[in-house]
Amino acid sequence: DAGITQSPRHKVTETGTPVTLRCHQTENHRYMYWYRQDPGHGLRLIHYSYGVKDTDKGEVSDGYSVSRSKTEDFLLTLESATSSQTSVYFCAISESIRYRQYFGPGTRLTVT
Amino acid sequence: SQQGEEDPQALSIQEGENATMNCSYKTSINNLQWYRQNSGRGLVHLILIRSNEREKHSGRLRVTLDTSKKSSSLLITASRAADTASYFCATDPDNYGQNFVFGPGTRLSVLP
Repeated sequence: DAGITQSPRHKVTETGTPVTLRCHQTENHRYMYWYRQDPGHGLRLIHYSYGVKDTDKGEVSDGYSVSRSKTEDFLLTLESATSSQTSVYFCAISESIRYRQYFGPGTRLTVT
Repeated sequence: SQQGEEDPQALSIQEGENATMNCSYKTSINNLQWYRQNSGRGLVHLILIRSNEREKHSGRLRVTLDTSKKSSSLLITASRAADTASYFCATDPDNYGQNFVFGPGTRLSVLP
């Protein structure tokens, strides 16, 4: 399996609090992605990165920000969590934007 | 409907039977990929088929692509209980800048 870890794996937080999820890779892949998975929607892209400090928005980026200061780490921040952001969040990596993606184990976030 | 939409939403079969899942999409693509997700885990890449390919095999998996109908099918032959999982297609639109679009998935249950 590709070396991808996500932390934390589970988190419960209250509405209005900031939350940061971390994705760490050991594969030195250029591209990193954050998705959220909700029943009936499959995976939806939040943000992605194509290099250190190079990021772009995905389909559902409102309410989320990202940062990538090192090749191996990609952070997803919810500035002020809302109940609609309760979801399972997956990080993925790939060598090329058109190639297969490798997924992390996911983070289950509950916003109460 | 969504780009990359699987059909059926759920499928239940007996061990040893074949399972067929379909994916329809709306825009022209560079490639189409199939992923598997076991309960509570991240997605695992199964197979990638390019827009100029019509059929591809990998072990017990057979994927077809019909770009004229904008559809793909995934066939799992001689299914096993371990094949129980959700299966997702992901399309790579050929419009520059667009990322993969995942469908909502097909939930496959293989009964022993």
